[in-house]
Amino acid sequence: GAVVSQHPSWVICKSGTSVKIECRSLDFQATTMFWYRQFPKQSLMLMATSNEGSKATYEQGVEKDKFLINHASLTLSTLTVTSAHPEDSSFYICSARDGRLYEQYFGPGTRLTVT
Amino acid sequence: DAKTTQPTSMDCAEGRAANLPCNHSTISGNEYVYWYRQIHSQGPQYIIHGLKNNETNEMASLIITEDRKSSTLILPHATLRDTAVYYCIVRVGGGNSGGSNYKLTFGKGTLLTVNP
Repeated sequence: GAVVSQHPSWVICKSGTSVKIECRSLDFQATTMFWYRQFPKQSLMLMATSNEGSKATYEQGVEKDKFLINHASLTLSTLTVTSAHPEDSSFYICSARDGRLYEQYFGPGTRLTVT
Repeated sequence: DAKTTQPTSMDCAEGRAANLPCNHSTISGNEYVYWYRQIHSQGPQYIIHGLKNNETNEMASLIITEDRKSSTLILPHATLRDTAVYYCIVRVGGGNSGGSNYKLTFGKGTLLTVNP
């Protein structure tokens, strides 16, 4: 089956630093990738949608200069949290859509803790 | 975009069938019903989806009412590992079958607890 990986699975960083999270589709080409954020005991909130080779589309209320998304290839998207603050601590989940089947598969998530 | 309504939580005895309801009364004719589940601290896992007809796979069955305003996900023999939050999602976006620009929007889901 389709597999989406994320790296790292968890990260702890200091306030003010930047953190990059990678999302890879391992056995299919992902024309579109999605980034979600999930706070404790809440549902997933879509942050942005990215298409390979073009700029990401951000959901309302998500700061594009703070959450930099790069979708440079059909198998890799990155999310960089710039100048992280404790309130950015969350569970970040990526999702990739198979370009042929249009089905969406999710990564295992990355737990970010900003101290 | 069609919204969904699910019970906040449900309990089920191990080995019994778990029936999870979902209301989507504003669903459009070309919108699909998707079910995902999320086990604690993991990414969501696809379960099943359907448009009009009932569907079955190795994980579950999906029963969609004739008017398509509600559906039920059935786990025929629930196990302890099925304890998770189950999300019923109506897929949004343009396009025809499949839809090239859809995105999945998650509601609060149903926390299913399977008890020994």
